[in-house]
Amino acid sequence: EIVLTQSPGTLSLSPGERATLSCGASQSVSSSYLAWYQQKPGQAPRLLIYGASSRATGIPDRFSGSGSGTDFTLTISRLEPEDFAVYYCQQYGTSFPVYTFGQGTKLDIK
Amino acid sequence: QVQLQESGPGLVKPSGTLSLTCAVSGVSISSGNWWSWVRQPPGKGLEWIGEIHHSGRTNYNPSLKSRVTISIDKSENQFSLKVNSVTAADTAVYYCARAVRYYLDYWGQGTLVTVSS
Repeated sequence: EIVLTQSPGTLSLSPGERATLSCGASQSVSSSYLAWYQQKPGQAPRLLIYGASSRATGIPDRFSGSGSGTDFTLTISRLEPEDFAVYYCQQYGTSFPVYTFGQGTKLDIK
Repeated sequence: QVQLQESGPGLVKPSGTLSLTCAVSGVSISSGNWWSWVRQPPGKGLEWIGEIHHSGRTNYNPSLKSRVTISIDKSENQFSLKVNSVTAADTAVYYCARAVRYYLDYWGQGTLVTVSS
């Protein structure tokens, strides 16, 4: 089973700043199999990025994803007030469990 | 517009069976996608439970496989989850979601299930 480790656990930034969130995999992951989600309190996760770098429908271009192998990054170029939330990375595996998630990074308002 | 809606009891007794249904609208459940269940204990992260294809094929998380059954009802355009022998550790918000290889693009709003006597 591939384990995803997200860092930092909590990131405190101000609106307008740049956020960089990391997701490390215990084994190499195909870029096609890496996604990012945003979750706000009381809401379901929302797909942001799939295939490591493709934005989902309706996602603003301030969100971008990059990386390959065991290191992936979600970048928010200029934080808006609505971006403060928890972010999860997820990988799809060809062995079970099929989907695994990182433990999440909480993006806090500083 | 694809929409998913979970329904089922919010309270289940220990050792009982948790049963939830996910109603799908805006797309046929036989459209070729897989349909997943994911859960989130209060204040914790996401755990994938399992998935089903309209053909009836299923995949389960090995950590839950012995207690979980996912089924599909194509006539009602819905799929269901059963978890047997529940304990307090199964208390969580349960989400249904559409799986598009290799990610989950549409999610239900989630339903909280509490295991307590």
